[in-house]
Order: sequence, then C-alpha cells, then structure tokens
Amino acid sequence: NAGVTQTPKFQVLKTGQSMTLQCAQDMNHEYMSWYRQDPGMGLRLIHYSVGAGITDQGEVPNGYNVSRSTTEDFPLRLLSAAPSQTSVYFCASSRTDGNQPQHFGDGTRLSIL
Amino acid sequence: GDSVTQMEGPVTLSEEAFLTINCTYTATGYPSLFWYVQYPGEGLQLLLKATKADDKGSNKGFEATYRKETTSFHLEKGSVQVSDSAVYFCALTINTDKLIFGTGTRLQVFP
Repeated sequence: NAGVTQTPKFQVLKTGQSMTLQCAQDMNHEYMSWYRQDPGMGLRLIHYSVGAGITDQGEVPNGYNVSRSTTEDFPLRLLSAAPSQTSVYFCASSRTDGNQPQHFGDGTRLSIL
Repeated sequence: GDSVTQMEGPVTLSEEAFLTINCTYTATGYPSLFWYVQYPGEGLQLLLKATKADDKGSNKGFEATYRKETTSFHLEKGSVQVSDSAVYFCALTINTDKLIFGTGTRLQVFP
C-alpha cells in the first residue's frame, strides 16, 4: 500500500530558486493538505484542498502556491525560496469527515542556503 | 483562537515506567481530539482519537480520555518500552478536516 508519497525526500536550494514538492495519494481521499514542521512549533498548515479544483490557505501560506488538478496529486510550489522556508514539509490526506485520521507522507527535508 | 498546549519535553523514562503526557485545548466549539506519533525519520501516524466528551481512545497500550470539564486529553501508558521512543503530538479539529497541533513532546525511553 503506497498511501501518501512525497518526493523528493531531501533537497537543498539556493535563495531565490524555485521548486515543486510533489505529493500523491492512492486512497481516493478528497482532503489533502501541506504542513511545515519547525522545532518547537509543531506542525503548521500551509495550504489545503477539499477536492480537485479547490484550494485554500492555511495558517502560513505566504511564499507557497498549490494547485489540485486531480484527486491524487497536490503539489506545493516555492516561488522564490528564502532561508525562512528551511523546514520539513509533510503532505497529508483524508476523507472529508473531520473525524477521519489524516494519513501523512514521510516528509521532505528542505534546506535553503 | 483554537489551540492545543502540550507539556514540553523531552520526557525521559526507564523501560516499564508509567507515562503521562499532558495536553489541554482551547476551542470555540466541540472538537475531536487526536494523538499522533512520529517515529524518527517518518511522518506522523494516528495513535488514537476521541470524538466526544468522556470518550476514551486507546491503541498499543496507550490511552487518553476526552475530559470536557478540564479541556484535557492526556496521554497515558502503564509500561513504556524502548520502541515507544518518538515525538507525540496532540491535535484537534472542529467541524473541519484542518488539524491544529500542539508543539509535540519527545519521549525517550532507556533500557
């Protein structure tokens, strides 16, 4: 069972570069989301989507874009990387119920120099 | 706003010791409450959940009871093992799928 797959696992960027973090799920989940994890701050929601064609901002959306053209994929784009975006990024998916568990990918560790 | 507060770690225990990790919440509605666990190098996994007051979630020897009167959802285990070493996150949702996380508590269990 693949579940939620994130690529790449590690990435180093220079300030100002752009890149896309990939996230794919094979569970036909409607809800997908991106979090960043920073020491002492837990996980903070960046963007989320309740279905294909629908996205919305979370707690810390600045500097990131998302799109949801299919149910399976939910890529996260960094438009112009900044050192403050150095973090571990997690993608998650679930059925839209509010009580359903979120399924997390293994994360992407991103360093911005 | 809605929030989750967890005790700071790390929590360091010997094998077979009793574990409590405190979690309290602030919510404007009636939240569902969750504990997630993150093992080294991995993503988060759901450990247990409770969706209404007085519910008890349990899994792998861990338990937590939804206490509305004290707005708490403390995680307990009677006898921890080295393999329980991980970071534990308390979280809530209120009528949505958006999770609000606490800052996480690192548990270290030594033989």
